[in-house]
Amino acid sequence: DAGVTQSPTHLIKTRGQQVTLRCSPKSGHDTVSWYQQALGQGPQFIFQYYEEEERQRGNFPDRFSGHQFPNYSSELNVNALLLGDSALYLCASSLRWGFQTSGRNTGELFFGEGSRLTVL
Amino acid sequence: GDSVTQMEGPVTLSEEAFLTINCTYTATGYPSLFWYVQYPGEGLQLLLKATKADDKGSNKGFEATYRKETTSFHLEKGSVQVSDSAVYFCALSDRNDYKLSFGAGTTVTVRA
Repeated sequence: DAGVTQSPTHLIKTRGQQVTLRCSPKSGHDTVSWYQQALGQGPQFIFQYYEEEERQRGNFPDRFSGHQFPNYSSELNVNALLLGDSALYLCASSLRWGFQTSGRNTGELFFGEGSRLTVL
Repeated sequence: GDSVTQMEGPVTLSEEAFLTINCTYTATGYPSLFWYVQYPGEGLQLLLKATKADDKGSNKGFEATYRKETTSFHLEKGSVQVSDSAVYFCALSDRNDYKLSFGAGTTVTVRA
């Protein structure tokens, strides 16, 4: 059973360029979330996709956009790259995250190994 | 907004030593609390969780108790092994929220 897979694993871009990162969720999962992890920090929530729509967004500018496809895979796009966008980008998948009967998020997020983006 | 503060590292221990990593949280509601672990070269994975006050999460010898009165969720293990060397993240998810809020992580190194 394949877990969460992300591509590419590493990439280098220059300021002003655009990047697309890809994620395939764990088999059976329908919800994909993206996180940014700067060096020495915890992951920061970018957004979550469910049923091909952005369901919630963190404090990230509009330069960060995403998409979810009918097969539940997802892309993260970042335009006009800045030096500060250098980070590890994590994709996490889950099954109907947030739809717990008690209203509490008891579910587990499954993370990929991430895509390491360096902006020069 | 919701936030998590965890003990700064790095932490270096000898095998069989006792480990504790402090975690406190701020939330407007009644969050679920989690500990995630990141082993070298691997993705983040859930270690344990607790969804309401006084719940105790446990896994692989690790334990953490949800303390509403002190807004804490400290991680403990009585006897660590070299294989426990990793980065540990405390996290919360507020009721009906769709995101996890993570602490900064604590790097733990266990020496043989």
